[in-house]
Amino acid sequence: SQQGEEDPQALSIQEGENATMNCSYKTSINNLQWYRQNSGRGLVHLILIRSNEREKHSGRLRVTLDTSKKSSSLLITASRAADTASYFCATRTGGFKTIFGAGTRLFVKA
Amino acid sequence: DVKVTQSSRYLVKRTGEKVFLECVQDMDHENMFWYRQDPGLGLRLIYFSYDVKMKEKGDIPEGYSVSREKKERFSLILESASTNQTSMYLCASSSRTGGLLDTEAFFGQGTRLTVV
Repeated sequence: SQQGEEDPQALSIQEGENATMNCSYKTSINNLQWYRQNSGRGLVHLILIRSNEREKHSGRLRVTLDTSKKSSSLLITASRAADTASYFCATRTGGFKTIFGAGTRLFVKA
Repeated sequence: DVKVTQSSRYLVKRTGEKVFLECVQDMDHENMFWYRQDPGLGLRLIYFSYDVKMKEKGDIPEGYSVSREKKERFSLILESASTNQTSMYLCASSSRTGGLLDTEAFFGQGTRLTVV
């Protein structure tokens, strides 16, 4: 099973609404990262949150981390059609390996 | 800007062929990775390298090998391509800071490989 598992698998919202995606993981982590992937492209790093942090902001993005529940959420506020993409959480457990979940597909309708 | 370049966007190869996927990064990163991405499975790590001539197996190394002769280049080799290796292959690189903790990965655009 995946170390990071995103929920929901797919999300469809109207432009201007907020989008929330969740990620759960199984083992202790050093940090958790969120990435975006536009269709057929590589992944682009969005934000990193360390295990000793609880919340982080970057523009319209807000990430929370709850290590006691082994979960994280990504909130995109005031979504735009250009936010349509797949979003992945990735956990760093130590050493060099970064483990990705299966992703959430977000569709923002104009 | 960091750039990770994969040699091909699309490849079609025949079963049994030896296939080379090339990846080059221009940021002097120590770490380089090869992932494959399949629907519903996310990204799975095939191999990674933390230095020239060093390599470590990831979660699904069977049927693959890698080569890192120069710091900027990391090659993925399919020794004898099979249809179950049809997939999107993604290369990534990252730097190695003092604590290994805060290193984001930079990805190439991906190579969609079809084995027929």
